[in-house]
This record gives sequence, structure tokens and C-alpha cells, in this order.
Amino acid sequence: AQKITQTQPGMFVQEKEAVTLDCTYDTSDPSYGLFWYKQPSSGEMIFLIYQGSYDQQNATEGRYSLNFQKARKSANLVISASQLGDSAMYFCAMGDGNDYKLSFGAGTTVTVRA
Amino acid sequence: DAGITQSPRHKVTETGTPVTLRCHQTENHRYMYWYRQDPGHGLRLIHYSYGVKDTDKGEVSDGYSVSRSKTEDFLLTLESATSSQTSVYFCAISMKAEISGEQYFGPGTRLTVT
Repeated sequence: AQKITQTQPGMFVQEKEAVTLDCTYDTSDPSYGLFWYKQPSSGEMIFLIYQGSYDQQNATEGRYSLNFQKARKSANLVISASQLGDSAMYFCAMGDGNDYKLSFGAGTTVTVRA
Repeated sequence: DAGITQSPRHKVTETGTPVTLRCHQTENHRYMYWYRQDPGHGLRLIHYSYGVKDTDKGEVSDGYSVSRSKTEDFLLTLESATSSQTSVYFCAISMKAEISGEQYFGPGTRLTVT
């Protein structure tokens, strides 16, 4: 069964606007973590933000925020004030279970237009 | 910079030949992981290690073996390469396998099996 689902294969956003990337997850483990990674065209994987299942508040890191809705099992990434350098593939991932292995979604490509 | 290097960065090999990819870390992290990245699938876990000589299988382990004889090196071996193993391979490290244990990735190895 798919643990992480990213339904948006590609998105376009205007520079300086906000964009929301969808992520839903599936786990029966009460303890889990949710992560977002960025992969620019150069290929490296860059850790952006983390949300724990017991965290009461949504995580924020600079222009990145994670909209965590536990009952809906969603962990959407919001990028505010988009910049041209935000153009990249974005992956949602979840860690749960023994040894906390990460499961990744298929990714969403974001293209920021000037 | 998480101090992770992968070698080689690019490799072309023929079907049926053995191939070994190396992941090297400089920061003494306990957990190391090997993933493969294919279009439409995100990253999928091949094998991981939770200590020297302690390894376990991931989601897509068939056709792969690993070894970890010292903390800093984690080797991935394709016993007899097949065209379906053409992919980008990422190594990752984590300080801990807990809900806050984000993983940091190496630069990746692009492997082509002809």
C-alpha cells in the first residue's frame, strides 16, 4: 500500500506568490515523522522541514511551513513568496516503524515563473 | 554539509557484471541507507545499516547486497547488473532512527546498465 501520496506531478507559480504542495500519508503507527525534501535540477536532495506526529504546532522554517492536519493524514508544504530558485522537485517523506525507515512520495515539480 | 561522499559519481556497465558503489561519511553517524530514484517512484529504500555489520533489507532489495565493515563506509553491490537497475543511487545518513531523525543525502551515483 502506498504510504505517501503526492497527487500533483507538476505546478507553476508566479514569483513572489505562495504555493501549496499536497501530501497525504498512511500509517497505523502513532509515532511518526513527516519530512519535505527539495531536489533542484542539479540533483542533490536538500532537507527542508520536519513535523513530528506529536507536535502541537505546525513546523516552520523560514519561507517553508508545514500544514499538518493529523485527522486528515495530510502534511502539505507551503512555500511563501516564491523565488526563481525554488524551481525544483519536492518530495514528501514519512518515517515510522522499526528503525524509522523513510518512505517517499513520487514528488511534485514546481516551476516558478518571473 | 553532512560529510557524505559517493563513488563513483557516474558509471556505465554491461549487463551481468558486478558493480560496487561506495558511500563514505566523515561524521560517525550510526545509520546509513541506500536508495534508488526512478521517475514516478520517488526514492525507494534498498538496504540500510544500523551499525557496523548490522544491515537489513528495504523495499527493493532483490538483486542487491550491502556490507558495512567500518562505521564510515557502506557498500552497495549489484551482484549481476541488469538493465532494470539503471537508476540514480543515493546514500543517506541519520544520527538516529527516531521521529526527529532526518536523513541527509550524498550527491548520488548515476548508474547505467547497457
